[in-house]
Amino acid sequence: GAVVSQHPSRVICKSGTSVKIECRSLDFQATTMFWYRQFPKQSLMLMATSNEGSKATYEQGVEKDKFLINHASLTLSTLTVTSAHPEDSSFYICSARLSGYEQYFGPGTRLTVT
Amino acid sequence: KNEVEQSPQNLTAQEGEFITINCSYSVGISALHWLQQHPGGGIVSLFMLSSGKKKHGRLIATINIQEKHSSLHITASHPRDSAVYICAADNTDKLIFGTGTRLQVFP
Repeated sequence: GAVVSQHPSRVICKSGTSVKIECRSLDFQATTMFWYRQFPKQSLMLMATSNEGSKATYEQGVEKDKFLINHASLTLSTLTVTSAHPEDSSFYICSARLSGYEQYFGPGTRLTVT
Repeated sequence: KNEVEQSPQNLTAQEGEFITINCSYSVGISALHWLQQHPGGGIVSLFMLSSGKKKHGRLIATINIQEKHSSLHITASHPRDSAVYICAADNTDKLIFGTGTRLQVFP
């Protein structure tokens, strides 16, 4: 099946620094990628929808200046958490839409801000 | 009321038991997804349904569009099936997630 990778899988950073997370579709082209956030024992929360070559669409309550999304190619989307704070510590997951309604998920990135 | 409701929230079973997880939704959908999330966090897409029934190994998923209800069945459950199972309604723009069902299968 289609594979989506995320890098890094885990990252620890200091408060005030920025962290970039990459999401790649390895064997297919994805015109749309999604970024989710998940707190412990909670369901996934959609942060933004990323379309190749255009600006991301952010969900209500998600700060676009804090969570920068770039979908530079049909196989790569990046999420940059700027000026990270401890409350940004979370599990970030991306997914990529293959065709129709097929959607494949990355393995996730666990961010810890100290 | 959530747009996607799952039941039960928690489920324990003995190895070999037949398991059913239910999902009801109140939104219009183009498809319904069943996902599996293991303790490590990674999510695996199990099924994508727009009608009828799909089977993959010991897993079966059904959907009734008129009743806005879907079920995920696991036959001959095994401890490795222990995970969180999530249904998600696809309204074309995005997925709307249920709160998940935490399944533990004991040997």
